[in-house]
Amino acid sequence: GESVGLHLPTLSVQEGDNSIINCAYSNSASDYFIWYKQESGKGPQFIIDIRSNMDKRQGQRVTVLLNKTVKHLSLQIAATQPGDSAVYFCAEILNPYYNQGGKLIFGQGTELSVKP
Amino acid sequence: DAGVTQSPTHLIKTRGQQVTLRCSPKSGHDTVSWYQQALGQGPQFIFQYYEEEERQRGNFPDRFSGHQFPNYSSELNVNALLLGDSALYLCASSLALTGLSNQPQHFGDGTRLSIL
Repeated sequence: GESVGLHLPTLSVQEGDNSIINCAYSNSASDYFIWYKQESGKGPQFIIDIRSNMDKRQGQRVTVLLNKTVKHLSLQIAATQPGDSAVYFCAEILNPYYNQGGKLIFGQGTELSVKP
Repeated sequence: DAGVTQSPTHLIKTRGQQVTLRCSPKSGHDTVSWYQQALGQGPQFIFQYYEEEERQRGNFPDRFSGHQFPNYSSELNVNALLLGDSALYLCASSLALTGLSNQPQHFGDGTRLSIL
C-alpha cells in the first residue's frame, strides 16, 4: 500500500551529539518529501524538503538524505540541542498532478528526546 | 508575515452536534488542506481546496465538508459528531505555482476538538 513509516518511535540523545531519524516509504512514484517537527500543543513545523531528483539537501544544522533504491529517507540533526526535543514526522507527497499541491502522507512519528 | 491561523483553539461538543472550524492561510498562499491528527498519530489528510473547489479528498465520510472563500480562507464542517471525531484538526496552506513542482505546506497550530 501507499504509506510512510518510521523505524523507531523514540530516540534519546545527549546534548551536542548528532541525531539521525529514519523513515521508510513504500511508493516508488513519490516525488517530494518533507520533514516536520511538532512540539507539544503546536502544529507541524516545516524543517526541510527534498525532491526525488536529489539525494541530499542541507539546511541549518539539518541534512536530509534520500535513497530511492531502498525507498529510505533520513533526517540528520547536527549538535542536537534541548530545543530540538519534539516529534519528527516525514511526509510524502502522492501527487498525480505535477503542478498541484497534492496531499501529504504522514508516518507515525519519532519522538526525539535530548538529554542535557 | 502572518502564518496560518486557526480558530477556535479548543472546542467541546457533544455527540450528534455539528461544528465549524476556520482557517486563514499564510499570506500569499492560495491552497488550503485540512488534516485530522489523533493523539499519538501522524496527521491524516481530509481534503484540499484550491480556487474555491475541493481538489482532493482523503478517506473521510461525507459528514466532513469544507469551503474555501475568495480570500483563500477556509472552513471545515463536521456533522453528526461521533466520539471518534475527537482529535486535533490542522489546517495547512501552500502556494500552487503553475509550472513548478510541489511547494511545502505550512501548518497552523490546530483546533483541539473534544466530543463528549
